Amino acid sequence: LAKTTQPISMDSYEGQEVNITCSHNNIATNDYITWYQQFPSQGPRFIIQGYKTKVTNEVASLFIPADRKSSTLSLPRVSLSDTAVYYCLGSEDRLAFGKGNQVVVIP
Amino acid sequence: DTAVSQTPKYLVTQMGNDKSIKCEQNLGHDTMYWYKQDSKKFLKIMFSYNNKELIINETVPNRFSPKSPDKAHLNLHINSLELGDSAVYFCASSQPGTGVSYEQYFGPGTRLTVT
Repeated sequence: LAKTTQPISMDSYEGQEVNITCSHNNIATNDYITWYQQFPSQGPRFIIQGYKTKVTNEVASLFIPADRKSSTLSLPRVSLSDTAVYYCLGSEDRLAFGKGNQVVVIP
Repeated sequence: DTAVSQTPKYLVTQMGNDKSIKCEQNLGHDTMYWYKQDSKKFLKIMFSYNNKELIINETVPNRFSPKSPDKAHLNLHINSLELGDSAVYFCASSQPGTGVSYEQYFGPGTRLTVT
């Protein structure tokens, strides 16, 4: 299975842009990269997915370099409600959510 | 309408008891999953069913037995509960396709506390 690694925790102030980078050292040719967001006391929810370059939706942007060995989730102008755990997955390890990255937004 | 639902939301029980958690999805998905999330937020796959057939069993003790009466339901039965089974259990579903990754839809979770 492809394995992804990501940092554990980070704090950010309201209004700032938050970038979370994930490593995908063993990503396969057919793997997509997917990010999930989990609020306290809720199940994870899909936020964005990409294969290469940049993908943007109403929630976030996802940057994937040409070698696809990493991905960066960008949350523009975070608010308190963006406090959550963020998980990155490659398609082949889509079931290995791991510990995720705790983002805490501070007023 | 709730896409993936679980019952109960909270479950408190004593060691040694047997309990079940139910999951239903109304998304028409073929694949359903059970995950366990511990107190440190580590989210780990336990089982996956596709069209009522078990396709993933991640070295879970055989005290845990999933049952899928139809592709819209995946229940989790746990025998002889232990303290270490205390966790939040999430059910999820997805619809595999070609090319695009499998977006999973999660239920609200069942918080199991074993005393």
